[in-house]
Amino acid sequence: KNEVEQSPQNLTAQEGEFITINCSYSVGISALHWLQQHPGGGIVSLFMLSSGKKKHGRLIATINIQEKHSSLHITASHPRDSAVYICAAPPLKGNEKLTFGTGTRLTIIP
Amino acid sequence: DAGVTQSPTHLIKTRGQHVTLRCSPISGHKSVSWYQQVLGQGPQFIFQYYEKEERGRGNFPDRFSARQFPNYSSELNVNALLLGDSALYLCASSLATGGWQPQHFGDGTRLSIL
Repeated sequence: KNEVEQSPQNLTAQEGEFITINCSYSVGISALHWLQQHPGGGIVSLFMLSSGKKKHGRLIATINIQEKHSSLHITASHPRDSAVYICAAPPLKGNEKLTFGTGTRLTIIP
Repeated sequence: DAGVTQSPTHLIKTRGQHVTLRCSPISGHKSVSWYQQVLGQGPQFIFQYYEKEERGRGNFPDRFSARQFPNYSSELNVNALLLGDSALYLCASSLATGGWQPQHFGDGTRLSIL
C-alpha cells in the first residue's frame, strides 16, 4: 500500500463542472502539497497546507489532519485545467523528501 | 526572476553510459532536491542537498550520485545506465530545508536509454 494515495486516477468532465480530487496519506506529515503537471512535464506548486482550507482563484484545497485526508476542488472547470494533479507529503520531521501520489489525470471537455 | 532551470531538456544515451544532469535553483534558494518520474507514475525522491551537504537519500542504487556547488547549483550523475533509468528527472529548490518549505520545480530533463 502506498503511503500517499489519490483518487480517481483518471477523471473526465465537461467544461463548467465542479471537480474533486482526493488524497489520503498514512504517514505523519508536516504539510501536504498539491501540484499540477502539464504534458510537457514541468510541475507547478498549487498549494501547501497543514490545516484547514486554502483558496486561489477557482482552486480550493482542504485538509483534515485527523482523518489524514485532503481534497482539491476546481470550480467552473475549464479545458485549460486539463493536467495531472499530484498530492505529495513530506515527513513529519526532517528534509523535503516528498512522497508523491500517482496523480489524477484530469481532462476537461469543452 | 528566473525559476528553476534544468539542462539538458532531453537526452538520449545507451546502456552502460553515464550521464550528468544539471540544475540551477531559484536565486537565494539553498536547498535542491532531485526526483525521478517514470512514465505513468508519481515522482520518486532521489536526493536532497542543503548548503552543499547531502540531507536525504531515497532508495536508489549507488550508481546515482549528486553534489551541490558553492553557488547552490547541483548535478545529478548516473553511471552504468540501465533501460529502467529512462525517466523524467526533476529538480526542485526551496529556501531552506524542511517539509513545510514550498518547493519550486524545474521543467525536468527527459532521459531516454536505448
